[in-house]
Amino acid sequence: DGGITQSPKYLFRKEGQNVTLSCEQNLNHDAMYWYRQDPGQGLRLIYYSQIVNDFQKGDIAEGYSVSREKKESFPLTVTSAQKNPTAFYLCASSQQAYTEAFFGQGTRLTVV
Amino acid sequence: AQTVTQSQPEMSVQEAETVTLSCTYDTSESDYYLFWYKQPPSRQMILVIRQEAYKQQNATENRFSVNFQKAAKSFSLKISDSQLGDAAMYFCAYRSTNAGGTSYGKLTFGQGTILTVHP
Repeated sequence: DGGITQSPKYLFRKEGQNVTLSCEQNLNHDAMYWYRQDPGQGLRLIYYSQIVNDFQKGDIAEGYSVSREKKESFPLTVTSAQKNPTAFYLCASSQQAYTEAFFGQGTRLTVV
Repeated sequence: AQTVTQSQPEMSVQEAETVTLSCTYDTSESDYYLFWYKQPPSRQMILVIRQEAYKQQNATENRFSVNFQKAAKSFSLKISDSQLGDAAMYFCAYRSTNAGGTSYGKLTFGQGTILTVHP
């Protein structure tokens, strides 16, 4: 089945540690996105990528980093510079800018 | 930069009735796409409907329809014959399709509206 897979579903991190969230898609989509969602809030864009080896900062990129070395993969690293990383993270992909985005199931990150 | 505003944090509707969710956006672009997504308690994002800015005709998908007012930069969602399964958080989203712009492909969401459906 084609789709977007985010792993893990739940992730716990100690303060001061970097952590990487995985996002893989087998839909052959060009564009990929990372969003952060806080309780009862909307989706805020962290980073997005339209093609391999290229990505752009979204609205809240500080404290995060990404890479796009392969078309199907767009991992997100939450660094120790992110002061309040506890949130729900959603990854999405789309074929073109004019088509809808498909979303993964999300990763809930908790700092302990 | 494009912004999307949903001014109704919460809405409620009786089963079988009609409800309209509001969305406004700010952009200087002429070519873009607009979407409504639904997020049920499972948190899985589900596409409800999409609208191409160059089309004057309002999009419809079964019980869901939009009122797209390009000049007013308004994109409301109407849900007819509301069902209990429609209860969810609804997000309006804007997608830049200006290939020459710095925000090409950027997908921006509003703050969301929580819809409650009463039996």
